[in-house]
Amino acid sequence: EAGVAQSPRYKIIEKRQSVAFWCNPISGHATLYWYQQILGQGPKLLIQFQNNGVVDDSQLPKDRFSAERLKGVDSTLKIQPAKLEDSAVYLCASSLVRGTGRPSYEQYFGPGTRLTVT
Amino acid sequence: SQKIEQNSEALNIQEGKTATLTCNYTNYSPAYLQWYRQDPGRGPVFLLLIRENEKEKRKERLKVTFDTTLKQSLFHITASQPADSATYLCALPRGYGNKLVFGAGTILRVKS
Repeated sequence: EAGVAQSPRYKIIEKRQSVAFWCNPISGHATLYWYQQILGQGPKLLIQFQNNGVVDDSQLPKDRFSAERLKGVDSTLKIQPAKLEDSAVYLCASSLVRGTGRPSYEQYFGPGTRLTVT
Repeated sequence: SQKIEQNSEALNIQEGKTATLTCNYTNYSPAYLQWYRQDPGRGPVFLLLIRENEKEKRKERLKVTFDTTLKQSLFHITASQPADSATYLCALPRGYGNKLVFGAGTILRVKS
């Protein structure tokens, strides 16, 4: 089966510009996560969707970051305006939803988008 | 606040030896703990999950232990190979919905 797809793989922008990342999860995976991974650190959850609803966006800097998953499949994450400290790898992950309605434990990650803000 | 600590220094071992990586946590009472592998330029890949009522779990050359009293998990790779070289991340759930909090990871280098 195809894995989680992300694009672009790399992006370089100047501070105060805007940028968008795209994610296509594994087919049938209802839960989708966006993580930010700064060099030398573990991934940090930004937002979690289940189908097209937001489950948790408590760690999303909402003054500049936004995310949507309109049809419960693909998702986009946007940063506007970007700051130097946003330089990181942005990872998308997906997981199944179990019969209980809760996401499965195992998360499948895409390759990530490496963002450099200059 | 909740905290996860993994060996910050890289672990360098000789091929064939057993690698042991440590994950310590504080201010958590997790129902389970996960280990992921991450190669450079790639996303993490799930390896193992161990529940709070399991002392040990094995998968091929991998073994994970979980001591809820010590608040520690140990991750072992036996008969290590150069292909095992990667960063290994431990992750604990936070709240509802399998949201994960990751440690910073430990770099493992296996030399032939």
